[in-house]
Amino acid sequence: AQKITQTQPGMFVQEKEAVTLDCTYDTSDPSYGLFWYKQPSSGEMIFLIYQGSYDQQNATEGRYSLNFQKARKSANLVISASQLGDSAMYFCAMREVYSGAGSYQLTFGKGTKLSVIP
Amino acid sequence: GAVVSQHPSRVICKSGTSVKIECRSLDFQATTMFWYRQFPKKSLMLMATSNEGSKATYEQGVEKDKFLINHASLTLSTLTVTSAHPEDSSFYICSPQPGYTFGSGTRLTVV
Repeated sequence: AQKITQTQPGMFVQEKEAVTLDCTYDTSDPSYGLFWYKQPSSGEMIFLIYQGSYDQQNATEGRYSLNFQKARKSANLVISASQLGDSAMYFCAMREVYSGAGSYQLTFGKGTKLSVIP
Repeated sequence: GAVVSQHPSRVICKSGTSVKIECRSLDFQATTMFWYRQFPKKSLMLMATSNEGSKATYEQGVEKDKFLINHASLTLSTLTVTSAHPEDSSFYICSPQPGYTFGSGTRLTVV
């Protein structure tokens, strides 16, 4: 079973509108973290926002917010007031304790390609 | 967040040759480095985890002898793709902190 599922291969949004990118996850660990990244065509991975499993409030970072619904195991990214520069791939990832290396490991979803239309 | 410098950003090599990719942590000591591979239009997949002063831990299906990882110091981790083949063409990216910081990536093309 996939640990991170992003069901939207591609999304379009009008400039200045808000858009929600979906992410569901699967884990039996009580302690985990959820990340969202933006990957423009240059390839760099840009960290956007983080939500810890014990965080009571939804994370927000500027125009980015994370709609965290723990019981449903979903962590959707909301981008408000979309800009042309937001066009990129967006990846959801989960960090769990990685017993193999005594450290943490990230598991990525397959990504959503967001296109912002002028 | 931490600053990571990854070089080269792009490399083209002939089949059978070896390519070394470097990741340097510029403003902190990286005891661990995660190496990922991303095929075109695919997600990032963890290849291996290197630990300073000890052997790297490889993910299932990743050939240890083909992808040599060295983490000799707290500021430098290297990935060497040995005897490269066209199927090794991919985007390789390092991360010293699980989640927050990534190198800028290396796009490897084997011809």
